[in-house]
Amino acid sequence: DAGVIQSPRHEVTEMGQEVTLRCKPISGHDYLFWYRQTMMRGLELLIYFNNNVPIDDSGMPEDRFSAKMPNASFSTLKIQPSEPRDSAVYFCASSPRGSGVQNTEAFFGQGTRLTVV
Amino acid sequence: AQSVTQLDSQVPVFEEAPVELRCNYSSSVSVYLFWYVQYPNQGLQLLLKYLSGSTLVKGINGFEAEFNKSQTSFHLRKPSVHISDTAEYFCAVSEPGGSYIPTFGRGTSLIVHP
Repeated sequence: DAGVIQSPRHEVTEMGQEVTLRCKPISGHDYLFWYRQTMMRGLELLIYFNNNVPIDDSGMPEDRFSAKMPNASFSTLKIQPSEPRDSAVYFCASSPRGSGVQNTEAFFGQGTRLTVV
Repeated sequence: AQSVTQLDSQVPVFEEAPVELRCNYSSSVSVYLFWYVQYPNQGLQLLLKYLSGSTLVKGINGFEAEFNKSQTSFHLRKPSVHISDTAEYFCAVSEPGGSYIPTFGRGTSLIVHP
């Protein structure tokens, strides 16, 4: 498997524009996470899905942020409208939670570096 | 609620010297513990994990960590570092029987000088 695939790797957009980040998890993984990484706040969990269903979105900073997972192989994180303070690296990760305790590792994509000017 | 404290934001060290990156956690129940490494412009990848059993855990690239329940610590060590170990290191904790969702520390930047 190619691992978790995120696109784009870099995104520069103007304030007020809509931004959509994409993620393809590892096939067979039933958990998907979206994280945001900044110097000020470190790595923050925004939302996670189990079997395509959003379980906890309490980390989503504002209503401008939304995430969807229409099927097991695709998820999006959308920011509308975007603001300069949204500039960060956004990571998608997936995990084969399953029923075994060994399935606790999260596999990360390479991230999308978002710059809002 | 669980939390993780990485006491050092940055650790400079010379090549071939030993290194220890500190991690303390807070949890009211038993825990799973992890160390991840992030190389520049990359995602995080797992170095090692403690789930149960032996408190000394060996991982990739010559790293090891020791779980100390009484001190609620999970420090990462390597006896001799290489330039290529320069990276950001994250400690994480999750609670078995709960959501399994890991909580990450703020990270420690390991800088290896020649």
